[in-house]
Amino acid sequence: AQKITQTQPGMFVQEKEAVTLDCTYDTSDPSYGLFWYKQPSSGEMIFLIYQGSYDQQNATEGRYSLNFQKARKSANLVISASQLGDSAMYFCAMREIYFGNEKLTFGTGTRLTIIP
Amino acid sequence: DAGVTQSPTHLIKTRGQQVTLRCSPKSGHDTVSWYQQALGQGPQFIFQYYEEEERQRGNFPDRFSGHQFPNYSSELNVNALLLGDSALYLCASSNNRASGNTIYFGEGSWLTVV
Repeated sequence: AQKITQTQPGMFVQEKEAVTLDCTYDTSDPSYGLFWYKQPSSGEMIFLIYQGSYDQQNATEGRYSLNFQKARKSANLVISASQLGDSAMYFCAMREIYFGNEKLTFGTGTRLTIIP
Repeated sequence: DAGVTQSPTHLIKTRGQQVTLRCSPKSGHDTVSWYQQALGQGPQFIFQYYEEEERQRGNFPDRFSGHQFPNYSSELNVNALLLGDSALYLCASSNNRASGNTIYFGEGSWLTVV
């Protein structure tokens, strides 16, 4: 069975510093995808970044990058130059890739607070 | 390009009642999934619809049912509401035929059962 673990319930980071949010996963399937989402207090789940298990390079999207270490089964999110608007819950999620499967398994999330 | 839209955004129901939540997927997407997110937890997968059929289902009772229409929009129905059904209900959409497809979520529907 798939499992996602986020070990940091909460983090406080000074504005403009870089921050790393941890995510480890467990799956026996060789083909899978890893997602990071941001959820502000309004509730919307905002897509940030995606990494496929066969992708050769780490994914990047603007200030977001994914530090993908396949052997360690980790997919940490790195946010560079943090901003006050980055304060939110962050969820790591995984999907096993086969035709017709759109089920995401989520971790418990990390609440990030950016301090001015 | 409209993203995933959900309605209503907030609603209050009485225990034992029935509720219907609605979702329109992002343009170009053909697959809709529903998730339940209780307070302080990560979202839990309820079910997925593709080609107007339920394709996958999570560990939820039959009180939870759904439908997908020919225009790919979807409804989530919950019967005989319990207090424990109070949660944020999220709709997600994707393009099933695209490899490495990204899954996008709507803003959610906040359901309170009293």
